[in-house]
Amino acid sequence: AQKITQTQPGMFVQEKEAVTLDCTYDTSDQSYGLFWYKQPSSGEMIFLIYQGSYDEQNATEGRYSLNFQKARKSANLVISASQLGDSAMYFCAMRGSSGSARQLTFGSGTQLTVLP
Amino acid sequence: GAGVSQTPSNKVTEKGKYVELRCDPISGHTALYWYRQSLGQGPEFLIYFQGTGAADDSGLPNDRFFAVRPEGSVSTLKIQRTERGDSAVYLCASSPGPQGSGYTFGSGTRLTVV
Repeated sequence: AQKITQTQPGMFVQEKEAVTLDCTYDTSDQSYGLFWYKQPSSGEMIFLIYQGSYDEQNATEGRYSLNFQKARKSANLVISASQLGDSAMYFCAMRGSSGSARQLTFGSGTQLTVLP
Repeated sequence: GAGVSQTPSNKVTEKGKYVELRCDPISGHTALYWYRQSLGQGPEFLIYFQGTGAADDSGLPNDRFFAVRPEGSVSTLKIQRTERGDSAVYLCASSPGPQGSGYTFGSGTRLTVV
């Protein structure tokens, strides 16, 4: 079984500062993918960044980077230069490679608030 | 279409009634997924289609829930004898295939059972 743990129910960050959202995962699959999604109050799930388990480099997409530490089974999201529009719920998710693990499994989310 | 379309966006129904929720995926996407998101929680997997067939329905909570995708594009999630605990946002996602990173989510259907 796969499990995603997000231990920060809520986080605050000052505008223009960087923030790290924590995510740890558990899986027995050797091949898997890790995802971060943003969900604003409007409800849509917006894809931010993806990291494959065999990727040696940490993924980056603009102001988003994924700090992937395979041995520690962590996949933290780093947002640099926070903007007011970054205020939203953030979900970490993973997809395994075997059986029902092929579907995305989500964590419980972190509510990020960017302060002016 | 350009994105994943879900209709209706909101549905209020009485306990015990039958409801259908529709998902129109991105054209050409063979994989389609249904998730349920309760308030304050992450989405939970319900069912996954590859083409017309349900490749994995292990997330359906009970036999009141059923989904179809008869022509390999539009999917309908059907809930019989609705209960108040079924109230949630039902999200649909599609991807070009079962692997990779290309999941696109719809805006969801907010179901309220009164």
